[in-house]
Amino acid sequence: AQKVTQAQTEISVVEKEDVTLDCVYETRDTTYYLFWYKQPPSGELVFLIRRNSFDEQNEISGRYSWNFQKSTSSFNFTITASQVVDSAVYFCALNPRAAGNKLTFGGGTRVLVKP
Amino acid sequence: GAGVSQSPSNKVTEKGKDVELRCDPISGHTALYWYRQSLGQGLEFLIYFQGNSAPDKSGLPSDRFSAERTGGSVSTLTIQRTQQEDSAVYLCASSLGSGVSYEQYFGPGTRLTVT
Repeated sequence: AQKVTQAQTEISVVEKEDVTLDCVYETRDTTYYLFWYKQPPSGELVFLIRRNSFDEQNEISGRYSWNFQKSTSSFNFTITASQVVDSAVYFCALNPRAAGNKLTFGGGTRVLVKP
Repeated sequence: GAGVSQSPSNKVTEKGKDVELRCDPISGHTALYWYRQSLGQGLEFLIYFQGNSAPDKSGLPSDRFSAERTGGSVSTLTIQRTQQEDSAVYLCASSLGSGVSYEQYFGPGTRLTVT
């Protein structure tokens, strides 16, 4: 069975602060993909990033960066210099090859960025 | 191009009635997924289509739930004899292919309220 844990249910920061969202996953599969999605107040899940289990390179995209560490089964997400528009619920998801095409989501972390 | 669309956006129904939820995937996407988002259960997978067939129905919670996809495009999720615990946001997603590496693009969801 697979599982994704996002231990932080809610994080509140002031604009321009950095915020890091934790994601820990469990799977017995050696081939898997990890994803992050953003769900703004409008409700639609927006794809942010995909990472496969064989690529541990960290990635940066603008103010977003991701740290993938297989040794600790973690795929953490950092927003640098947060903005009010970053306020949303962020979901980490896992798709192991053996599980087919269904995403297993974490419980989500609500980020509130105050001006 | 157009994203995934779902209708209706909101549906209120009385307990015991049947409801149909519709999903139009992104043009050219061969895979289609249904998920449910509720306060108690988070985001959970329901069913996945590749073309018109459903290789994985493992997430359907009971035999009151069924789904079909026609013409490799539009999908309908039907809930018969609705119960209050069916109240949730039903999300549809599509992806270009059916491998675990493909990111899934989500629609805005249908909020179902069973009274």
